[in-house]
Amino acid sequence: AQKVTQAQTEISVVEKEDVTLDCVYETRDTTYYLFWYKQPPSGELVFLIRRNSFDEQNEISGRYSWNFQKSTSSFNFTITASQVVDSAVYFCALSESIQGAQKLVFGQGTRLTINP
Amino acid sequence: KAGVTQTPRYLIKTRGQQVTLSCSPISGHRSVSWYQQTPGQGLQFLFEYFSETQRNKGNFPGRFSGRQFSNSRSEMNVSTLELGDSALYLCASTRGAGLGSGGNEQFFGPGTRLTVL
Repeated sequence: AQKVTQAQTEISVVEKEDVTLDCVYETRDTTYYLFWYKQPPSGELVFLIRRNSFDEQNEISGRYSWNFQKSTSSFNFTITASQVVDSAVYFCALSESIQGAQKLVFGQGTRLTINP
Repeated sequence: KAGVTQTPRYLIKTRGQQVTLSCSPISGHRSVSWYQQTPGQGLQFLFEYFSETQRNKGNFPGRFSGRQFSNSRSEMNVSTLELGDSALYLCASTRGAGLGSGGNEQFFGPGTRLTVL
């Protein structure tokens, strides 16, 4: 069965600190997709990144970076020089659908608070 | 391009009643998925519709049902409401077709917050 674990329930840091959000997943499939979503207080989930299981290249987008390691089944997310606007709940998710049916399995989320 | 819209945004019902929630996907998107978010269970997949057909279903009782119309708009219905149905119900849309479409990013609406008293 698919499973996503975000062991960190809450993280609180001071602005400008770097912070890493951990994500560990379980799947029996060789082809799958991993996602990170951000949920601000408004409630709407905002897409951040998608990775397929064959692409282990790390990615950087501005202050955000992602480290995908199949060997440890992890897909960690780092925010560099955090800002108050980064405060939100962050979800890691897994999709095993190769074609067609859309279904995401989410982790429990990590509530990130950036203090000024 | 308009995003995913959900109506109503807030709803208060009493136990035993039924409720219908509506979702309008992004123009051109044919797949609509529904998720339930609660503090205890987190985000859980309810079901997904594509071209008016349910393609995938989560582990929820039969009281939860849905449908999709020819214009891709979708509704979900919960009958005989229970206190535990209080949640944020999120709808997401994506193109939903073609090889690799299972990995398409899903665009989420703002959700409908349902409170059951």
